[in-house]
Amino acid sequence: AQSVTQLDSQVPVFEEAPVELRCNYSSSVSVYLFWYVQYPNQGLQLLLKYLSGSTLVKGINGFEAEFNKSQTSFHLRKPSVHISDTAEYFCAVSLLNTGNQFYFGTGTSLTVIP
Amino acid sequence: DGGITQSPKYLFRKEGQNVTLSCEQNLNHDAMYWYRQDPGQGLRLIYYSQIVNDFQKGDIAEGYSVSREKKESFPLTVTSAQKNPTAFYLCASSIAGGYNTGELFFGEGSRLTVL
Repeated sequence: AQSVTQLDSQVPVFEEAPVELRCNYSSSVSVYLFWYVQYPNQGLQLLLKYLSGSTLVKGINGFEAEFNKSQTSFHLRKPSVHISDTAEYFCAVSLLNTGNQFYFGTGTSLTVIP
Repeated sequence: DGGITQSPKYLFRKEGQNVTLSCEQNLNHDAMYWYRQDPGQGLRLIYYSQIVNDFQKGDIAEGYSVSREKKESFPLTVTSAQKNPTAFYLCASSIAGGYNTGELFFGEGSRLTVL
């Protein structure tokens, strides 16, 4: 069975400080990995994705994530956060060659404190 | 601009009434999905469709129905059988078939409140 675990439901951080949002997954097959961001009362926007190749992936708004196959993790990082980064962040996996099945974590609420 | 349009954005319903949420996409995607979002529970899959005139139940299909008569449209009906329908509903689409980039594109969501 596949699952995605976001270890922190809420993360408060001061403006201009670094942040890491953690994501671990379990799967018996190879996966694609994603991070999405959701602002209040809006849909989800893709931040970044890992399909193959370099394990360090850079996305929009200065975010990056590193795929660690041995630890089955895909943690999201940003070296300096802004007030506008306050949002809900979702980690997701898609199983390769299995008809576009997606599995989402329960989300991490990032609050940037001025 | 290409994208996914959901309507209405806000909807109020009395208990016992059916309601249909619209989802239209002009991305020429084969696959479409409906998710339900509740606070602290992430996204849960209701139904998905990989091709016109075909769809499959997701994890929480009870009390919901869908149709896929056209490639660009995937409406969701919340029936009176759904015990707790108040939620935020998200429609999504993706490229299906042999070239799977895996990425989902989302609409802006519809918030349903049952009074």
